[in-house]
Amino acid sequence: AQSVTQPDIHITVSEGASLELRCNYSYGATPYLFWYVQSPGQGLQLLLKYFSGDTLVQGIKGFEAEFKRSQSSFNLRKPSVHWSDAAEYFCAVVLNTGNQFYFGTGTSLTVIP
Amino acid sequence: GAGVSQSPSNKVTEKGKDVELRCDPISGHTALYWYRQSLGQGLEFLIYFQGNSAPDKSGLPSDRFSAERTGGSVSTLTIQRTQQEDSAVYLCASSLEGFADTQYFGPGTRLTVL
Repeated sequence: AQSVTQPDIHITVSEGASLELRCNYSYGATPYLFWYVQSPGQGLQLLLKYFSGDTLVQGIKGFEAEFKRSQSSFNLRKPSVHWSDAAEYFCAVVLNTGNQFYFGTGTSLTVIP
Repeated sequence: GAGVSQSPSNKVTEKGKDVELRCDPISGHTALYWYRQSLGQGLEFLIYFQGNSAPDKSGLPSDRFSAERTGGSVSTLTIQRTQQEDSAVYLCASSLEGFADTQYFGPGTRLTVL
């Protein structure tokens, strides 16, 4: 079955530490890949997306993600986490045949001082 | 400019009643999406409207769910004979053209079925 997996339900990091959130997908072809963030009391906001080309993509708020075809992964990274990064992060895929959207179950990030 | 708006923000209803949820997309956006977010379940795609094309209803969980989009703008998601398992936050999003574009999400409608 087609799926998007975010294996980490919850992650806690110290402010200033690096961060990596994992995302794996299981589809035959390379889908379009997205990372969204949902802050408390706020709507979902796009962090970055990958369609093709350079496999390392830069997003807003200092985030980046790397697409690895061999691992079917699209992990989100940030070199130095800020307290304001505490939020729920969702990986999403869209099959490039269109009309098929799948979100992961999310990773909740806690940032401790 | 104005973002995606949804109304009501909260809706409490009794089991068996019908409810209507409204979404006003960003002006000029031709694509509109409905999702459901349940606790611990992540985001579940429900339906997708693109321009004047027939919507993709493949994500609707049952025939109690329906949606329409009038004039290519405002959309209404209707749930008939609500059940307790319908309790969730219903999110609407819009994008400029299609699924590959950035989706802008509304604040959601929290539905509670008693």
